[in-house]
Amino acid sequence: GENVEQHPSTLSVQEGDSAVIKCTYSDSASNYFPWYKQELGKRPQLIIDIRSNVGEKKDQRIAVTLNKTAKHFSLHITETQPEDSAVYFCAASPGYNQGGKLIFGQGTELSVKP
Amino acid sequence: DAGVIQSPRHEVTEMGQEVTLRCKPISGHDYLFWYRQTMMRGLELLIYFNNNVPIDDSGMPEDRFSAKMPNASFSTLKIQPSEPRDSAVYFCATRPGFGDEKLFFGSGTQLSVL
Repeated sequence: GENVEQHPSTLSVQEGDSAVIKCTYSDSASNYFPWYKQELGKRPQLIIDIRSNVGEKKDQRIAVTLNKTAKHFSLHITETQPEDSAVYFCAASPGYNQGGKLIFGQGTELSVKP
Repeated sequence: DAGVIQSPRHEVTEMGQEVTLRCKPISGHDYLFWYRQTMMRGLELLIYFNNNVPIDDSGMPEDRFSAKMPNASFSTLKIQPSEPRDSAVYFCATRPGFGDEKLFFGSGTQLSVL
């Protein structure tokens, strides 16, 4: 089955700097790659997603890139702000022939210092 | 829509007791997923349903765990008997269906087994 590895497990940056989180996946059939943000004590919430027919997607300060050949994808946050502090999860979906279930990475705890 | 509704928000029980977690999906969502979140293991998929039918329960830890979805508006996850290692946050999540893989999480149930 699908396996998703996420790095780093913790990341500390200064306000205004960029943050990059990387994930690799194992199942070449996976075709949907979302990123979730989870604030302390809250539920995970979708912040951006990308499909396998797209190499890059951007939404204001957040961007995601996908390299299907290498089976890795990354989250980029520019001009970080203290409110970006949270745990970020990447995920991969093996596709509809497997029900579209999401397999999550282990999470990255991002801390943005003012 | 009120989103995915889970109850209870917190549950404290003693080892050996039966625990029942409840989930009301977003109306019209065909898929329902149960995840467990711990520091050590991250977000683990336990089981998921499509149109009330269990599709994949390979993530269910052992026979002490069972899940049902008697109708499109309700699902339960039961642990009997509970053990301290079952302590975790249990999330229910749903998504619309074919062509839309965005997953919406409930607020979770924080389970503590003493």
